[in-house]
Amino acid sequence: GESVGLHLPTLSVQEGDNSIINCAYSNSASDYFIWYKQESGKGPQFIIDIRSNMDKRQGQRVTVLLNKTVKHLSLQIAATQPGDSAVYFCAENSYFTGNQFYFGTGTSLTVIP
Amino acid sequence: GAGVSQSPSNKVTEKGKDVELRCDPISGHTALYWYRQSLGQGLEFLIYFQGNSAPDKSGLPSDRFSAERTGGSVSTLTIQRTQQEDSAVYLCASSPPNLSPLHFGNGTRLTVT
Repeated sequence: GESVGLHLPTLSVQEGDNSIINCAYSNSASDYFIWYKQESGKGPQFIIDIRSNMDKRQGQRVTVLLNKTVKHLSLQIAATQPGDSAVYFCAENSYFTGNQFYFGTGTSLTVIP
Repeated sequence: GAGVSQSPSNKVTEKGKDVELRCDPISGHTALYWYRQSLGQGLEFLIYFQGNSAPDKSGLPSDRFSAERTGGSVSTLTIQRTQQEDSAVYLCASSPPNLSPLHFGNGTRLTVT
């Protein structure tokens, strides 16, 4: 099966600081990547996505960076707020694997007020 | 508009009983996915429906698990002769026809006693 993993299972940051969550993937044919946020008792919520023809994409307070050379994906959250505390998952997809989405284990982000 | 709806939100059943979990996807979404999430774990792919194509059942863990999708809309995941290891949150997601983010429901928490 596919391997989508995260470098750090937990991350604690001070409110107002920037957060960086990392993700490694193993399928070089993956061409679409998504970051999700999951709060307790809820389903994953879409944050931002990026296609393999891009290296960087920015949203509101979030930036996703894609390094295809080392098969690495990161999510940067600017000015982290208490409401950002959640588990963050990366997901990857490849047309060649039948459009299945493979999810990493997740990183738990805790924002310290 | 309404998001992905799953019912019931919680289900407690005795070992050996059958259960049915329901998913109402977003209107117009042709793709529908079922995932399983154990406590503190990532998302395990179960099954994927795309339009009128044959479903991708490659993630179903045993023949006790089955799913159907009627009329290209509502889906039911059935677990027969439930076991304690089936206890998990079962998440449903849907997406439009083109490569797009998955939209998740809040899941059904299944507890097998």
